[in-house]
Amino acid sequence: DIQMTQSPSSLSASVGDRITITCRASQSISNYLNWYQQKPGKAPNLLIYSASSLQSGVPSRFSGSGSGTDFTLTISSLQPEDFATYYCQQSSNTPITFGQGTRLEIK
Amino acid sequence: EVQLVESGGGLVQPGGSLRLSCAASGFTFRSYWMHWVRQAPGKGLVWVSRINSDGSSTSYADSVKGRFTISRDNAKNTLYLQMNSLRAEDTAVYYCARETSVVGAPFDPWGQGTLVSVSS
Repeated sequence: DIQMTQSPSSLSASVGDRITITCRASQSISNYLNWYQQKPGKAPNLLIYSASSLQSGVPSRFSGSGSGTDFTLTISSLQPEDFATYYCQQSSNTPITFGQGTRLEIK
Repeated sequence: EVQLVESGGGLVQPGGSLRLSCAASGFTFRSYWMHWVRQAPGKGLVWVSRINSDGSSTSYADSVKGRFTISRDNAKNTLYLQMNSLRAEDTAVYYCARETSVVGAPFDPWGQGTLVSVSS
């Protein structure tokens, strides 16, 4: 199975900050990497697919990059509604696997 | 509007069975692969199972293989997850999700989830 490791596991930041979350795969997954945002009590919501493509309707302050084994999600200027948990997901191989999540909290 | 609505969750005793349903609307259900993903209380997302568009091919996580069965009825636009021999560690919110056809095969949308609790 492909292991997905996110860092950090939690992050405190302020409105307006720029933050980056990293996701590392245990083997190459090309660009089969997706990012989701999840708010408490809600289903995950797709932000970025294929490592760097912005899902329709997602604000442009979200961006993704990387290929192979190392990927990043960047939020350029945090807004109050961005405080949530973020997950990376690989869809290169079955079983599909998720990172453990990064909880983004207000400082 | 593209929508997925799960149902069928509830409280069940260890060793019991439950069947989850996921009703799809707003898109051509028979054209898409579908997945189940679960999330234990306070924990992360875990992929459970997937089925291809015509139901001829399925895959499972090792943790549920032999106990869970994914299926679909394309005439009814509905996805199912039959869960047998349930264990306490199967307690979770279960989400159904559509696999999109773009590169990266992301899941979008997701249903609102249905809670399965396994306890005596």
